[in-house]
Amino acid sequence: EADIYQTPRYLVIGTGKKITLECSQTMGHDKMYWYQQDPGMELHLIHYSYGVNSTEKGDLSSESTVSRIRTEHFPLTLESARPSHTSQYLCASTPGGSHYEQYFGPGTRLTVT
Amino acid sequence: AQTVTQSQPEMSVQEAETVTLSCTYDTSESNYYLFWYKQPPSRQMILVIRQEAYKQQNATENRFSVNFQKAAKSFSLKISDSQLGDTAMYFCAYTGTASKLTFGTGTRLQVTL
Repeated sequence: EADIYQTPRYLVIGTGKKITLECSQTMGHDKMYWYQQDPGMELHLIHYSYGVNSTEKGDLSSESTVSRIRTEHFPLTLESARPSHTSQYLCASTPGGSHYEQYFGPGTRLTVT
Repeated sequence: AQTVTQSQPEMSVQEAETVTLSCTYDTSESNYYLFWYKQPPSRQMILVIRQEAYKQQNATENRFSVNFQKAAKSFSLKISDSQLGDTAMYFCAYTGTASKLTFGTGTRLQVTL
């Protein structure tokens, strides 16, 4: 399996709480991504980064924010969690150009009550 | 914008049989890559097979092969000699010059005895 890690794997939290989902990779990849996976399993890109201090919003609008201070670390933060944020969040990374595969983490399943 | 369509939400195949999963896509780009990813239940997403658009030869990886029809914008996955471990969600994905993946909605494949 790829060297990309996500914590926590499962999180149940109340409305209004601030949460940070962690994603780390030890492969030295420049490009990292966050996807939101619906209960119906469809994946949507919500954030991506092509390197340190570079972050962009993805195709699906999200109230979350991300940061990329170190190459290996790409955390996602929700300032005030809501039930609509309940989903699975997948982190991925790739070393370079479009022909490279993306390596995925195991995901964080978030439930906001 | 690029789109990827998987018209088969669920499929079932008996062990040792062959199954084909369908995928169509739409793009105006000339250089792009197509992928099939596999997401087993509660496990990480992994790459199954990759196809470069400029290559006419269909990609193969052991029991997995694709039928790439560029003019028709079709990219189907054939799994031969299906095994119980092939049970998973299968996602067709596209990436062009932007190094961002666009996923289809997925096909849930169940391999039965």
